[in-house]
Amino acid sequence: SQTIHQWPATLVQPVGSPLSLECTVEGTSNPNLYWYRQAAGRGLQLLFYSIGIDQISSEVPQNLSASRPQDRQFILSSKKLLLSDSGFYLCAWSVRNEQFFGPGTRLTVL
Amino acid sequence: GENVGLHLPTLSVQEGDNSIINCAYSNSASDYFIWYKQESGKGPQFIIDIRSNMDKRQGQRVTVLLNKTVKHLSLQIAATQPGDSAVYFCAENMGSGAGSYQLTFGKGTKLSVIP
Repeated sequence: SQTIHQWPATLVQPVGSPLSLECTVEGTSNPNLYWYRQAAGRGLQLLFYSIGIDQISSEVPQNLSASRPQDRQFILSSKKLLLSDSGFYLCAWSVRNEQFFGPGTRLTVL
Repeated sequence: GENVGLHLPTLSVQEGDNSIINCAYSNSASDYFIWYKQESGKGPQFIIDIRSNMDKRQGQRVTVLLNKTVKHLSLQIAATQPGDSAVYFCAENMGSGAGSYQLTFGKGTKLSVIP
């Protein structure tokens, strides 16, 4: 069966510090991968999606970036965090239509 | 697309009653729809899906209805239980074979079950 992992589960970072969130998927090959952000009490905002290694599409201009160095690994990064980057970050994978979500990372930027 | 600037609408239901959560989607060309349940602090979980060639689909205690004429989707939960308390999102698929299969999510509805 397929599983998706995200880490860390929670993170508190100062403004201006770098960020690296990791997502890995097991039990499937060549999945589509997605990064979403969810602000408190709000819906899901698609940040990036990837249909293959080193193939990244950005949906929203921002100070975040994404990379996919391996088929089942998706990384969300920032060189300098802003206060507005605080939120709940969700990674998801799909092979057909359904998307399956990871447990999320709660990021607080102080 | 999704409006991230609005706070979530809330639905309060007595335990044992039926719940109906509604969603309006944006693209008449969408051909696949999903309902997700998100409990506090967790990622969304798949509940049920429906394709545009269907009007109704039933699962365990849940039913999804699709009205393509008015671009409306609803999720019905029978005999609502405290464990059903969560935020519910609808999502539509507007991907067209390019391989990305992107979903566009609704803004979500918070369901609170009163014991």
